Amino acid sequence: KAGVTQTPRYLIKTRGQQVTLSCSPISGHRSVSWYQQTPGQGLQFLFEYFSETQRNKGNFPGRFSGRQFSNSRSEMNVSTLELGDSALYLCASSLDINLNTEAFFGQGTRLTVV
Amino acid sequence: QKEVEQNSGPLSVPEGAIASLNCTYSDRGSQSFFWYRQYSGKSPELIMFIYSNGDKEDGRFTAQLNKASQYVSLLIRDSQPSDSATYLCPHGSSNTGKLIFGQGTTLQVKP
Repeated sequence: KAGVTQTPRYLIKTRGQQVTLSCSPISGHRSVSWYQQTPGQGLQFLFEYFSETQRNKGNFPGRFSGRQFSNSRSEMNVSTLELGDSALYLCASSLDINLNTEAFFGQGTRLTVV
Repeated sequence: QKEVEQNSGPLSVPEGAIASLNCTYSDRGSQSFFWYRQYSGKSPELIMFIYSNGDKEDGRFTAQLNKASQYVSLLIRDSQPSDSATYLCPHGSSNTGKLIFGQGTTLQVKP
């Protein structure tokens, strides 16, 4: 059974640009959560999608957005990139995170903003 | 008060010893608790989950949960150098189910 796939693995962008990251969950999983991981802040929750609907949202500015498609694949977008957006972005796949089922992480996308 | 408190470490143990990792959490309504291992530069890997008070064993790992004390722990028996990693103990939020993480504990197992 394939795991969680995130693309791309690495990105370098300049300030002011925008970026789109992709996450394909485990087959049959309908919940996709996104997290930002930085050395100083640890893992911070961005948002969660279930059946194409955003159910939960963390405390991030509106520059961070996402969506989910009918096949449960999810994308997150960051517009007007800032240096502080440099981080490891992780998505987690779950049957239904609101039912406390286990979550499995993808390998992450490491974003560097210069 | 932080939602999840973990000693950042590093916690250093000799090979073959028992490593004990601890977390406290503030959400009294949380029902699900997880342990993830994260190697440097890699993503978190789920190693244990526990939903009920008491102990849960899986190979060399034992998770312990005490909801009354808002405390969860992980014991690693016969620690190996390959266990050297950062250990995360998120719980599912009682409001939304999203995972709430602490900063993690770095474990070093010395050969």
